[in-house]
Amino acid sequence: GENVEQHPSTLSVQEGDSAVIKCTYSDSASNYFPWYKQELGKRPQLIIDIRSNVGEKKDQRIAVTLNKTAKHFSLHITETQPEDSAVYFCAAGSSNTGKLIFGQGTTLQVKP
Amino acid sequence: EPEVTQTPSHQVTQMGQEVILRCVPISNHLYFYWYRQILGQKVEFLVSFYNNEISEKSEIFDDQFSVERPDGSNFTLKIRSTKLEDSAMYFCASSLDRGITKNIQYFGAGTRLSVL
Repeated sequence: GENVEQHPSTLSVQEGDSAVIKCTYSDSASNYFPWYKQELGKRPQLIIDIRSNVGEKKDQRIAVTLNKTAKHFSLHITETQPEDSAVYFCAAGSSNTGKLIFGQGTTLQVKP
Repeated sequence: EPEVTQTPSHQVTQMGQEVILRCVPISNHLYFYWYRQILGQKVEFLVSFYNNEISEKSEIFDDQFSVERPDGSNFTLKIRSTKLEDSAMYFCASSLDRGITKNIQYFGAGTRLSVL
C-alpha cells in the first residue's frame, strides 16, 4: 500500500549547522510533497512544498529536492537556529485523491 | 490570515459514548479532511470530503466514524461508540482544490480526544 518512510527519527545539530531529512515514497501517482513543522502541542504548519514538475525549490534557509526516479525527497535546513527545533513531517499526496500520506516524523533539536 | 478552527480543543469521554468533533474550514475551500495523530506517532489520514460526500477513506475510518457538513460552514467528525484506542489528536484540514496547483492543506489546531 501507500507508504512514506522518513529518516532519521531524531536529529541533533549545533546552531549554525545544516540539517537534512530524507523521505521515500511508494506510490508512483504521488505528485505533491509538502513538509510540515509541528511544535509541541500545536498544529502542523506547512513550511515548504514541491510538486513533481520541479526538482528543487528553495525558500530562504529551507530547500527541498525531489528525485522522482528514485522516489526520494529531502528537506535541507541551512544555518539552523534554536527556533528550528520541532518535529518535521514529510508527506506525499496525489492530485487524484487529495489525501496526504505522512512520514513518521523527525525530531530536530538545534543546540545553541 | 484565514485559519481552520476546531472545537473543542480537548474532549474527555467515557468509553462507549458518542463524540462529535467540530471544524470550520477556510471559507472558500472546497475539500475537507480529517486526520488523527496518536501521541508520539505520525499523522494518519482518515477521510476526505468534497461536494457533500466522502471522496476517500482509510481503513481506520470504519463504521463507527461518520462525517457531515451540516451547514455551509461546519464540518464534523462523529465517533459513535468510542474505544480507548480512539484517544488521539484529531486534525481537520481544508484545501481550495485537490489539483496540483491549489491543493495546499491547512490544518486546524486539533482536538485532543481522551477516552477513559
